[in-house]
Amino acid sequence: AQSVSQHNHHVILSEAASLELGCNYSYGGTVNLFWYVQYPGQHLQLLLKYFSGDPLVKGIKGFEAEFIKSKFSFNLRKPSVQWSDTAEYFCAVIPMNSGGYQKVTFGTGTKLQVIP
Amino acid sequence: SAVISQKPSRDICQRGTSLTIQCQVDSQVTMMFWYRQQPGQSLTLIATANQGSEATYESGFVIDKFPISRPNLTFSTLTVSNMSPEDSSIYLCSVEDQSGELFFGEGSRLTVL
Repeated sequence: AQSVSQHNHHVILSEAASLELGCNYSYGGTVNLFWYVQYPGQHLQLLLKYFSGDPLVKGIKGFEAEFIKSKFSFNLRKPSVQWSDTAEYFCAVIPMNSGGYQKVTFGTGTKLQVIP
Repeated sequence: SAVISQKPSRDICQRGTSLTIQCQVDSQVTMMFWYRQQPGQSLTLIATANQGSEATYESGFVIDKFPISRPNLTFSTLTVSNMSPEDSSIYLCSVEDQSGELFFGEGSRLTVL
């Protein structure tokens, strides 16, 4: 079965620091990749997604992620974090096989705390 | 995109009782799911709510414990039956578009005493 690994469970950064959250998956075929964010007290929402094309994708609020197929990775980055980026971040993967429905697999999440 | 409303948003329940969570979507959707988000853990898929037929449960989840209804393409319910403290969690309703992108409700935070 496929799996998604997020290596950092809890990250604490000062404002203006750069951020990189790791995400690796185990599936060998074509995948769609997502990062979701959950701000305190709010529901999960999409941050960015990759389907095909340019492996560097840009999302909302200055976030970007790079798909590196050879490394099975989809790391999330932001050059300069803000206090408002404090949230929990989830990486998610769905195989894009032709054979019927495939379910989304989530990583365990990374809690980001940004200190003013 | 889809707007998903869940209720209750939170509840405190006694051991042995059951609670039904409702999920309403603002548009007709084919794929509707119920997830559980336990503290410190990833989102875990409980089941796929199928319209007009029995839900499809993931390994470790059974219909007797988590009965699901899906009477139409915009509404579903999840019941957590005979609750124990281990059932304390956030339960999330979700719908999926053709690309696999998921849209979530705000969740129902359940505490079982």
